[in-house]
Amino acid sequence: QSALTQPASVSGSPGQSITISCSGTSSDVGGYKYVSWYQQHPGKAPKLMIYDVLNRPSGVSNRFSGSKSGNTASLTISGLQAEDEADYYCSSYTSSSTWVFGGGTKLTVL
Amino acid sequence: EVQLVESGGGLVQPGGSLRLSCAASGFTFSSYAMSWVRQAPGKGLEWVSAISGSGGSTYYADSVKGRFTISRDNSKNTLYLQMNSLRAEDTAVYYCAKNTGPVTDYYMDVWGKGTTVTVSS
Repeated sequence: QSALTQPASVSGSPGQSITISCSGTSSDVGGYKYVSWYQQHPGKAPKLMIYDVLNRPSGVSNRFSGSKSGNTASLTISGLQAEDEADYYCSSYTSSSTWVFGGGTKLTVL
Repeated sequence: EVQLVESGGGLVQPGGSLRLSCAASGFTFSSYAMSWVRQAPGKGLEWVSAISGSGGSTYYADSVKGRFTISRDNSKNTLYLQMNSLRAEDTAVYYCAKNTGPVTDYYMDVWGKGTTVTVSS
């Protein structure tokens, strides 16, 4: 049950786009459509931003989008805004019938 | 409105036990699998355990297998996590989360605010 691999940090200026990668294996990210992304502000509970690789829950801005290629999933945030500054975590279902999270990526809006 | 409220956290000595509860409201509790996810201070999220809507299937992370037990009382709309043989590395905020279907391979969509567990002498 090794954690999925995410970059520790990414940054961008307001209005720019950034992409956060999430690397796993064929036993998790590559083997299932069950990849989700969560946003977490300091001291708050995680908030679902993307589910099943590319779907957005109701109420989540269409500036957030997800994709997957092979064993790597990605979260793209376009038109960066100050309120996007947060930690982001990917998550995947696994062949062991468990869930695994990425180590988290801290997004800084410059 | 879907709401999850965790309770039961606190300070416990290494080797001790604690039972966490998660009171659910705003949805048909028995229709959904539920999960526990924890976050150590300054660290990332770690999935801990999940249980199907019926309670008939349970799953655990290797780090807690044999020490933690997840259960639910659908008549009380409450999820539990019994934690035994606690270690310092179990210190974390524990979140209760609702899965989006009756079995545990559905993703987690709603999370509680968490309850803090500190294992220290």
